[in-house]
Amino acid sequence: QAGLTQPPSVSKDLRQTATLTCTGNSYNVGYQGVVWLQQHQGHPPKALSNRNNNRPSGISERFSASRSGNTASLTITGLQPEDEADYYCSAWDSSLSALVFGGGTKLTVL
Amino acid sequence: EVQLVESGGGLVQPGGSLRLSCAASGFTFSSQWMTWVRQVPGKGLEWVANIKQDGSEKYYVDSVKGRFTISRDNAKNSLHLQMNSLRAEDTAVYYCASDVGDYWGQGTLVTVSS
Repeated sequence: QAGLTQPPSVSKDLRQTATLTCTGNSYNVGYQGVVWLQQHQGHPPKALSNRNNNRPSGISERFSASRSGNTASLTITGLQPEDEADYYCSAWDSSLSALVFGGGTKLTVL
Repeated sequence: EVQLVESGGGLVQPGGSLRLSCAASGFTFSSQWMTWVRQVPGKGLEWVANIKQDGSEKYYVDSVKGRFTISRDNAKNSLHLQMNSLRAEDTAVYYCASDVGDYWGQGTLVTVSS
């Protein structure tokens, strides 16, 4: 099954802003939006936003999600050392009847 | 607080079987699609299967069709994955998740090796 496209890595300075992207098509990203996931090494994924771009309880306001057409974005402001992690997007693909993931973006905070 | 707790992982020989379970609490289990996702350590996330609220629809990644079966028991708030004819390439951490990934369990490691 085809996946979503994410840049493999992004590096930004401490306290700067990072914008991560996730590109799909009208059957997945453009269909019902994406869930953004954060995963630290050795830990399970944690959702940062739901398909409506809303943050779950307990997620910092520094994380904000948006979507334009078939591309979803996750913006992280005021980068902190603990933001260094892998970030994935996921979406239901209505043409494949499959859940598809992006390959993940490794965020490095310099 | 939402909790998803997987169990049933372990070491199994190629061709063997395992049954994974996921105990859910803190949300209305019967109103959510549920999903199994796996991850080879150091690699990305791979969707395995998911199941509709009432169990009437099930979907699988091509590589497990005919070998894995997803099921649920809404009375017991539990999700299961019966894995048969296991292969070395099925080795991974298996996660239980709600819908398209809103909540995740801690994962259970499945190792297929002789």
